[in-house]
Amino acid sequence: AQKVTQAQTEISVVEKEDVTLDCVYETRDTTYYLFWYKQPPSGELVFLIRRNSFDEQNEISGRYSWNFQKSTSSFNFTITASQVVDSAVYFCALMWNTGNQFYFGTGTSLTVIP
Amino acid sequence: EAQVTQNPRYLITVTGKKLTVTCSQNMNHEYMSWYRQDPGLGLRQIYYSMNVEVTDKGDVPEGYKVSRKEKRNFPLILESPSPNQTSLYFCASSTLTALTQYFGPGTRLTVL
Repeated sequence: AQKVTQAQTEISVVEKEDVTLDCVYETRDTTYYLFWYKQPPSGELVFLIRRNSFDEQNEISGRYSWNFQKSTSSFNFTITASQVVDSAVYFCALMWNTGNQFYFGTGTSLTVIP
Repeated sequence: EAQVTQNPRYLITVTGKKLTVTCSQNMNHEYMSWYRQDPGLGLRQIYYSMNVEVTDKGDVPEGYKVSRKEKRNFPLILESPSPNQTSLYFCASSTLTALTQYFGPGTRLTVL
């Protein structure tokens, strides 16, 4: 069973538009961790955020914000006023406490058009 | 500089010829892991290690071996590579508390 679902395979937006990347996860553990990573065209994987299951506070970092909702098992990522440099593949990932394994979604490819 | 290194970065080989991809980290991390990335499938965990001499299977361990004899190194071994192991491989490491994985630059493997 898929543990992390990123239903949006590809998204294109025009520069300065806001865009939300969806992530839905599945776990039976009460303690788990959620992550977002960015993979720009150069190929490296860049850590963006970690959230644990006990902390449902939304987080904002500059133009990036994350909305964690346990009730819907979602951890969505919003980029405000998108820029060309935001063009990348974004991965959502899950690790639960008792499993020690990481599960990544299939990624969302974001293209920001100038 | 804190980093995860992988070697080689690119490798083309033939079916059945044993190969090893090395991974090393200089951050004293306990947790190390190998992933493969394939189009449309995202990253899938192959093996992981919680500490020296402790390794466990991830989602796609068939055809791979690993070892963790030293804390800093976590080599990935393909005893008899096959074309379906053609992929982009990433090594990663983290502490057991933060769990924020730092990834190596990737190894692109082609098995002919």
